[in-house]
Amino acid sequence: KAGVTQTPRYLIKTRGQQVTLSCSPISGHRSVSWYQQTPGQGLQFLFEYFSETQRNKGNFPGRFSGRQFSNSRSEMNVSTLELGDSALYLCASSAASNSYNEQFFGPGTRLTVL
Amino acid sequence: KNQVEQSPQSLIILEGKNCTLQCNYTVSPFSNLRWYKQDTGRGPVSLTIMTFSENTKSNGRYTATLDADTKQSSLHITASQLSDSASYICVVSGQAGTALIFGKGTTLSVSS
Repeated sequence: KAGVTQTPRYLIKTRGQQVTLSCSPISGHRSVSWYQQTPGQGLQFLFEYFSETQRNKGNFPGRFSGRQFSNSRSEMNVSTLELGDSALYLCASSAASNSYNEQFFGPGTRLTVL
Repeated sequence: KNQVEQSPQSLIILEGKNCTLQCNYTVSPFSNLRWYKQDTGRGPVSLTIMTFSENTKSNGRYTATLDADTKQSSLHITASQLSDSASYICVVSGQAGTALIFGKGTTLSVSS
């Protein structure tokens, strides 16, 4: 079974721009979660989608948004980029939206904002 | 406030030695606790997951323990190898419907 894939792997943007990141979960998985990872803050939860519905949301500003498609693929959008948005963005998929279900992480998208 | 604290922040050990990483949490109610290994430049990979009723769980040379009364967990690595060099992240899940809470991780360096 193919793992979680994320595209692009690396991205460089300038302040004020917007960016869209993509995540394809493991086949059959319906839950996709997004995380931001920075050296100072560690992993922080952004949001979770299950069957195209946002199930949970972390404490991030409205500039961070996401969606999930009927094939479970998910996209994350960040508008009006700030320098502090530079981070590794990870997505994780699981079979169901249940805290005991194991999450499988993708390799991440490294976003650099200049 | 629900928090997960890990110690030490970083650790250097010689190949072949054992080590123990600590995780203390204040998440309540508690559902389960996971340990992840994250190699540099890669996504985290699950090592173990334990519910409140489990005290110990092993995965090869990795053994996790959980004391739900004191809200402490440890990850013991036996006979360390160079490939164990990574960040180890403790993650706690609260009640159903709430987000996972991540510790900031312990960076382990195994040298020859």
